[in-house]
Amino acid sequence: AQTVTQSQPEMSVQEAETVTLSCTYDTSESDYYLFWYKQPPSRQMILVIRQEAYKQQNATENRFSVNFQKAAKSFSLKISDSQLGDAAMYFCAYRTYYSGNTPLVFGKGTRLSVIA
Amino acid sequence: DAGVIQSPRHEVTEMGQEVTLRCKPISGHNSLFWYRQTMMRGLELLIYFNNNVPIDDSGMPEDRFSAKMPNASFSTLKIQPSEPRDSAVYFCASGLREGNTEAFFGQGTRLTVV
Repeated sequence: AQTVTQSQPEMSVQEAETVTLSCTYDTSESDYYLFWYKQPPSRQMILVIRQEAYKQQNATENRFSVNFQKAAKSFSLKISDSQLGDAAMYFCAYRTYYSGNTPLVFGKGTRLSVIA
Repeated sequence: DAGVIQSPRHEVTEMGQEVTLRCKPISGHNSLFWYRQTMMRGLELLIYFNNNVPIDDSGMPEDRFSAKMPNASFSTLKIQPSEPRDSAVYFCASGLREGNTEAFFGQGTRLTVV
């Protein structure tokens, strides 16, 4: 079974600075998908960014980018120009590549605080 | 689209009572997932359906938990009888079976069993 590990339970960053959240995963599969979800105090789970394992290019979405290292099974999230609204729990998630839909496997999360 | 709709948002019940959580997936989505979130265990998959058929219920903690999906637009998660250790946030999520999209989550139901 696949597992996802987020080794940083809590992180903090100054407003306008850059922060990197770590994620590692364990799998024997060669094709899969990786995601970062944000959960603000409202509880809503919001997709931040997605990476397909077969793509070598790292995904970016505005101020959010990933560093995907397939051989190392590492998938970190970089948040640039941090804003107060970025304060939230961040979850790394893995999904098997399959013709149908399969569930996401989540890490335990990293709580990010943004300091004004 | 209104997104995934869960009800109720909050539920407080006494130990031993039956609890039913409800979910309406996004129209057109044919996969549905139930997750439970606790501080200790994080987000755990309880059960998921493809085309209204349960595919994997190995995450359902015990026989007190049951889930149904009678049609493509509605699912329930029932706990009977409820226990204090069932207190958690329960999320429903939906997605498309075809293609490789992310799961879209509802707002969750915070269940407190006293």
